[in-house]
Amino acid sequence: DTGVSQDPRHKITKRGQNVTFRCDPISEHNRLYWYRQTLGQGPEFLTYFQNEAQLEKSRLLSDRFSAERPKGSFSTLEIQRTEQGDSAMYLCASSLLGRTDTQYFGPGTRLTVL
Amino acid sequence: DAKTTQPTSMDCAEGRAANLPCNHSTISGNEYVYWYRQIHSQGPQYIIHGLKNNETNEMASLIITEDRKSSTLILPHATLRDTAVYYCIVRVAGAAGNKLTFGGGTRVLVKP
Repeated sequence: DTGVSQDPRHKITKRGQNVTFRCDPISEHNRLYWYRQTLGQGPEFLTYFQNEAQLEKSRLLSDRFSAERPKGSFSTLEIQRTEQGDSAMYLCASSLLGRTDTQYFGPGTRLTVL
Repeated sequence: DAKTTQPTSMDCAEGRAANLPCNHSTISGNEYVYWYRQIHSQGPQYIIHGLKNNETNEMASLIITEDRKSSTLILPHATLRDTAVYYCIVRVAGAAGNKLTFGGGTRVLVKP
């Protein structure tokens, strides 16, 4: 069990650019979650997948955001035409659907939009 | 998911037990109590969870009142590395549950 990994750990971009983040869940975990955390706040849910299917999206996930999990393993989160308000920590978590479905988080990707 | 109420901050002495309270008066019968902590600039770390019985693992103990309206996370021997924000979350588990809804948490400072 190597834990949830995220790449990159830090990303600095200019307003208007597109960025893509990757999350590799714990092996065999079939649920994968994305959260966003701004400074001084708790994480906020964005979306989650069960296997390949995206089952829920928060209204925080505007049209500029898209997430995929094509083979039910790793996931990508893309932000198009970044805005300064997108600056945040983007967290990924995974879980194994079962009785308690405990989520384990990765280290996060910190995005700074200049 | 039900909301939780936690103190904004608390200090505790290194080597002493830290008792972190959480109120969840509207918790439903199928909702678990989860505790996570977040050390500065890291992802949240799972600590423990429970339904109605008290639980203990290598990190902490969780005491849930009989009416399930409140709980206490106990760190038995706090160290400086336990300084973090601690989140108490209630959530339906299993197939019916999904996202975690984080509140403000309790900022715990362990002092030498």
